[in-house]
Amino acid sequence: DQQVKQNSPSLSVQEGRISILNCDYTNSMFDYFLWYKKYPAEGPTFLISISSIKDKNEDGRFTVFLNKSAKHLSLHIVPSQPGDSAVYFCAASYVTGTASKLTFGTGTRLQVTL
Amino acid sequence: NAGVTQTPKFRVLKTGQSMTLLCAQDMNHEYMYWYRQDPGMGLRLIHYSVGEGTTAKGEVPDGYNVSRLKKQNFLLGLESAAPSQTSVYFCASRDNTDTQYFGPGTRLTVL
Repeated sequence: DQQVKQNSPSLSVQEGRISILNCDYTNSMFDYFLWYKKYPAEGPTFLISISSIKDKNEDGRFTVFLNKSAKHLSLHIVPSQPGDSAVYFCAASYVTGTASKLTFGTGTRLQVTL
Repeated sequence: NAGVTQTPKFRVLKTGQSMTLLCAQDMNHEYMYWYRQDPGMGLRLIHYSVGEGTTAKGEVPDGYNVSRLKKQNFLLGLESAAPSQTSVYFCASRDNTDTQYFGPGTRLTVL
């Protein structure tokens, strides 16, 4: 049962345009959401996060939007740059017992073309 | 400040062999995690630890054991490797904001 879904395995965007990556979740207990970026042969690196009490969080070119009623979040990258080409993972967490655990989506490969 | 490091980076095993993957973090984090990543799938949690001397099972714990004898180290063991354990393994540690920081990964092939 995939609780966090990224339905687009890949996305191609021109340099300078907006990239929009989407993520859906099914578990209403999730209260913290994160986006990670992963280059080949490297570990995922934290990009941006949002708490369930907010609906938007910005950090430079990156903005995450959360729609709790739709159980949907999205990552906007504006403007997109070639260095943004990577796999992006959406993750969600809630505290269970003594620890919070992340549930990851399957990733979206973003290619930013010149 | 190295963050999270993992050794080795690559390893090839034969079926039935054993090995230990080492994860070390220098951020004084209490929480540490082991994941595996397979093609077309997200990262799946194997085991985790909420502090020195503690371990707990994650989503896919079978065939793995872990130990957290020191706060900065989290070891993942395979007692009898199987081809199904061919994967990329990532270790992570977590800060107080619930954000996890990942190591560079270990690519394991079991023949």
